[in-house]
Parts: sequence; structure tokens; C-alpha cells
Amino acid sequence: GNSVTQMEGPVTLSEEAFLTINCTYTATGYPSLFWYVQYPGEGLQLLLKATKADDKGSNKGFEATYRKETTSFHLEKGSVQVSDSAVYFCALVPDSSYKLIFGSGTRLLVRP
Amino acid sequence: DTEVTQTPKHLVMGMTNKKSLKCEQHMGHRAMYWYKQKAKKPPELMFVYSYEKLSINESVPSRFSPECPNSSLLNLHLHALQPEDSALYLCASSSRREMNSPLHFGNGTRLTVT
Repeated sequence: GNSVTQMEGPVTLSEEAFLTINCTYTATGYPSLFWYVQYPGEGLQLLLKATKADDKGSNKGFEATYRKETTSFHLEKGSVQVSDSAVYFCALVPDSSYKLIFGSGTRLLVRP
Repeated sequence: DTEVTQTPKHLVMGMTNKKSLKCEQHMGHRAMYWYKQKAKKPPELMFVYSYEKLSINESVPSRFSPECPNSSLLNLHLHALQPEDSALYLCASSSRREMNSPLHFGNGTRLTVT
């Protein structure tokens, strides 16, 4: 079946540290991959997406590359800010489907 | 500001009450979704409407009744809920023109069932 696995949180970093949140997936065919972010008390916002192998999605200093050979879509940011503290969800939409499948979410806490 | 608007932001209801959650979008999207999110968990899909017709029901109990009056509006009617139904209810929409178009979420309605 289709599934997404994310690293357990919380991830606690100091401001300006480098961030990696690991995400791997299981899916048939060529799914589209997404990262969503949820700030406290809010809904989910699309952070970035990639729709085919080797695509790199980027937004607000965050990046993720669609790696089909390792079935991964790791989220990175070179220098995190306190305002990046949130829960990050990796997700996929399987080929020929509209159903978004989420990972369990990773909470990021950035300390000043 | 989110482009998907949900009302109310908070709702407290008793187990015998009937209430409705409302969702509105003006992006011309033809797919609309209801998700339920419990604390510290990812959202779980409940219903999908495509071109105002119900296309997916993820085996949701009948005490939740969705309605899509037109392409911009989505309602979720609630009746005889249980305390375990307390959660954040999220509405989302997406374009049907692309199979893998991203979902746009509202900020949700935080529901408490007493």
C-alpha cells in the first residue's frame, strides 16, 4: 500500500542551525510529494511540492528533492528561525489518485 | 490569510445537539474535502466532493453528514456526537484540473463535544 514515514520528533534546534527532517515513502508508480507545515492553532499550509523524480521543491529557504532511487523526500533548511517552530507533515498523492496520504508529522522547536 | 474560510473557529456542543460546520472557497476549485485531526496526529480524510458530488466517504459514522450546496460551499452537519469526536475539523479544496494539485486548507473548527 501507500504510506509515508517521517522521523520522530520533537526536533529541537538553536536559531541558525541546519535542519533536516527525514521522510521516506512507499508507493506504486510515480506519486507526487508534498511538505505541509502547521503552525500552532492553524490549519495546514503547503510548504513545497515535487511531482517527478529529481524535482527539487523550494520555498521560504526550505528545500526537498524527490529521490526515487531511495524513495525519499527529506526537508532541509540551512538556517532555521524561531518562527519556523511548527509541525511539519510529509505527504504524497499516489499516481492516478486525489487522496493525500500524510506522515505522522514532526514537531520542530527552534530556540533563540 | 487562508483562502479557505471555515466557521465557526470554535464550537462546543452537547451530545444531543445538532450543529453545522461551514467551509467556503472562491478559488474555483472543484474538489472539496473534510479532514479530522486529533491532537498530535496527522489529519484523517473523512469525505471528498468532486464537482459537488460525494466521491469518497472514508467509512465515517452517519452522525457526520456532509453537504455541498454549490461549488464554493461545503458543510458538515453534526448530530448525536460522542466526546471522542472532539477534534480539529479541517476543510480543504483543490483544483481538479491536475490530478496531483495540492490541497489548500482552512484554519479549521475546533470542536468540543461535552
